[in-house]
Amino acid sequence: GDSVTQMEGPVTLSEEACLTINCTYTATGYPSLFWYVQYPGEGLQLLLKATKADDKGSNKGFEATYRKETTSFHLEKGSVQVSDSAVYFCALHSGAGSYQLTFGKGTKLSVIP
Amino acid sequence: EAGVTQFPSHSVIEKGQTVTLRCDPISGHDNLYWYRRVMGKEIKFLLHFVKESKQDESGMPNNRFLAERTGGTYSTLKVQPAELEDSGVYFCASSQDGLAGPQYFGPGTRLLVL
Repeated sequence: GDSVTQMEGPVTLSEEACLTINCTYTATGYPSLFWYVQYPGEGLQLLLKATKADDKGSNKGFEATYRKETTSFHLEKGSVQVSDSAVYFCALHSGAGSYQLTFGKGTKLSVIP
Repeated sequence: EAGVTQFPSHSVIEKGQTVTLRCDPISGHDNLYWYRRVMGKEIKFLLHFVKESKQDESGMPNNRFLAERTGGTYSTLKVQPAELEDSGVYFCASSQDGLAGPQYFGPGTRLLVL
C-alpha cells in the first residue's frame, strides 16, 4: 500500500539557519504530494503541493520538488524564523480511486532566537 | 469565510463510555473526511463523505465507530463503547473538489480514554 516516510524529529534550529526535512514515499500510480503544517493549537494547514514529477511547490519561503526518480519530496527553507516552529507533515494522494491522504509521522521543528 | 470547526476540542472519558465528536465543514464543501492520529503514529484516514453518503469507510477500525452526516452538512463521529486504544486526536477535513482540491483541516478533537 501507499506509505510516506519522513525524518524523525524533533529538529531544533537557530533563527536564520537552513532547513531540510526529508520525505520519501511509496505509492501506486502517480501521486500528488503535499506538505501540511500544524502550528501550536491549530489545525493542519496546506503549506504547498506538487501534482506531477519535477513540479516545485512553494509558499512562505518553503520549497519542495517532486522527484519521481528518487520518490522524494524534501521540504526546504533557506532561512527559518521563530514563527516557523510547528509540526510538518508530508502526505500523498494516490488518486487511485480513493480520496484519502496518506501521511508521514510528522516532524516537529523548533526555531530558537 | 469560517474554516472547519470541531467540537469539543478535548474530551476525557472512561473506558466503556460513549463520546460523540462533531465536525462542521467549510460551507459549500461536499466532501468531508475524518482522520485520526494515535500518539506517535501517522495520521490515518477513517472515512470520507460526499454530501450525506459514505464514499469510503475503509479506514474505520471497527464497529464501535459510527459516523453520520445527516443532511450533508455537519458530521458526527460516535465511539461506543470507547476503549483505551481509541485515545488520540481526531481530525476532520473538508474539500470542494475531492480529487484535485486540497483538504482543509480542523483543529482536531483530543480524546483521552482512561
